[in-house]
Amino acid sequence: DGGITQSPKYLFRKEGQNVTLSCEQNLNHDAMYWYRQDPGQGLRLIYYSQIVNDFQKGDIAEGYSVSREKKESFPLTVTSAQKNPTAFYLCASGGGEPTDTQYFGPGTRLTVL
Amino acid sequence: GNSVTQMEGPVTLSEEAFLTINCTYTATGYPSLFWYVQYPGEGLQLLLKATKADDKGSNKGFEATYRKETTSFHLEKGSVQVSDSAVYFCAHMDSNYQLIWGAGTKLIIKP
Repeated sequence: DGGITQSPKYLFRKEGQNVTLSCEQNLNHDAMYWYRQDPGQGLRLIYYSQIVNDFQKGDIAEGYSVSREKKESFPLTVTSAQKNPTAFYLCASGGGEPTDTQYFGPGTRLTVL
Repeated sequence: GNSVTQMEGPVTLSEEAFLTINCTYTATGYPSLFWYVQYPGEGLQLLLKATKADDKGSNKGFEATYRKETTSFHLEKGSVQVSDSAVYFCAHMDSNYQLIWGAGTKLIIKP
């Protein structure tokens, strides 16, 4: 089955710890994205990558880091510098063209205790 | 700058009622327009899209028409079901190929 997987679905961490969220896709998409969703709000772009070994900051990149070493994978690290990390994190991939649909993973809910 | 404005929710309707969720956008040019749906605790799924003016996107009984003269992409369905209860997001693609999102509209359908 083609799709996007995110793991884990739920993640709990203590304040001050870095945590890495996994995102894998087997859709052969060039572009991948990370979004943050807070309760009752829309999506905000954290980072995106149009090709392997290249990525750009989105609207709220502070306190986050990413890597794109493989086309299929785009992990997101939430660092201790992120002041309010508790949120629902969504990964997406797409062809990167203006008419292309973005396909989403099931999301990871991160709770920092 | 680029933006998307959706009607605020929650929108509460009875089963078999007619649905309209308004969406207007601000953008340069003629961006592709999208409606996504999010069921509780899940990621987003594409519901429909339109890539040029006057196009009509449709899926699962939902429709939306790309109106460049009013910069709108309102979502409609003739007869809603309880299973349509979800949050609906309108979005457009900006000139940097990034999606600009509305805040989402929660839809509640009562039996």
